[in-house]
Amino acid sequence: AQRVTQPEKLLSVFKGAPVELKCNYSYSGSPELFWYVQYSRQRLQLLLRHISRESIKGFTADLNKGETSFHLKKPFAQEEDSAMYYCALTPSGAGSYQLTFGKGTKLSVIP
Amino acid sequence: ETGVTQSPTHLIKTRGQQVTLRCSSQSGHNTVSWYQQALGQGPQFIFQYYREEENGRGNFPPRFSGLQFPNYSSELNVNALELDDSALYLCASSRDRGLEAFFGQGTRLTVV
Repeated sequence: AQRVTQPEKLLSVFKGAPVELKCNYSYSGSPELFWYVQYSRQRLQLLLRHISRESIKGFTADLNKGETSFHLKKPFAQEEDSAMYYCALTPSGAGSYQLTFGKGTKLSVIP
Repeated sequence: ETGVTQSPTHLIKTRGQQVTLRCSSQSGHNTVSWYQQALGQGPQFIFQYYREEENGRGNFPPRFSGLQFPNYSSELNVNALELDDSALYLCASSRDRGLEAFFGQGTRLTVV
């Protein structure tokens, strides 16, 4: 069975400070990892996926298979980054593309 | 291109009743997944429908059932409602079981 752990329920940083949202996963096979974001009063939306290796809104995430982690990073936090962030996993190559989500981390950027 | 829409947005039901939630997938999408999000938790996978067939199911009892129609819209039915069924129910659609799923705004179900 797969599991996603986000150890921080709430993370507060000052504007301009670096941000790191932690995500650890447990899965015996090869996973696909994602970060989803939910801004206030908006729907859940995909932020980035590890296979695309993109930087979205200044955020990046590197899959570390040795540490089974997929931490989300941004060098300089902006107020508009305040949101709920969810890390999610799906087994790669499976016929059913169910996402397993972590419990989420609420990021609060202090002006 | 229209996004994923869910109805109703809010619903209150009594324990033991049955409920049907609806989801219209995004234009061009033939895959719909349903998730339950309890307060303070991440979304939990219920099941997925692809071209009108169930394509995977999470750890939910049989009283949670679904349907997908030829136009790829979908319904989630829950029988014999329990208090713990109170949650936000999310629908997500994608193309050909693709990994890039687009979520609806959710239906908030309260069971009293």
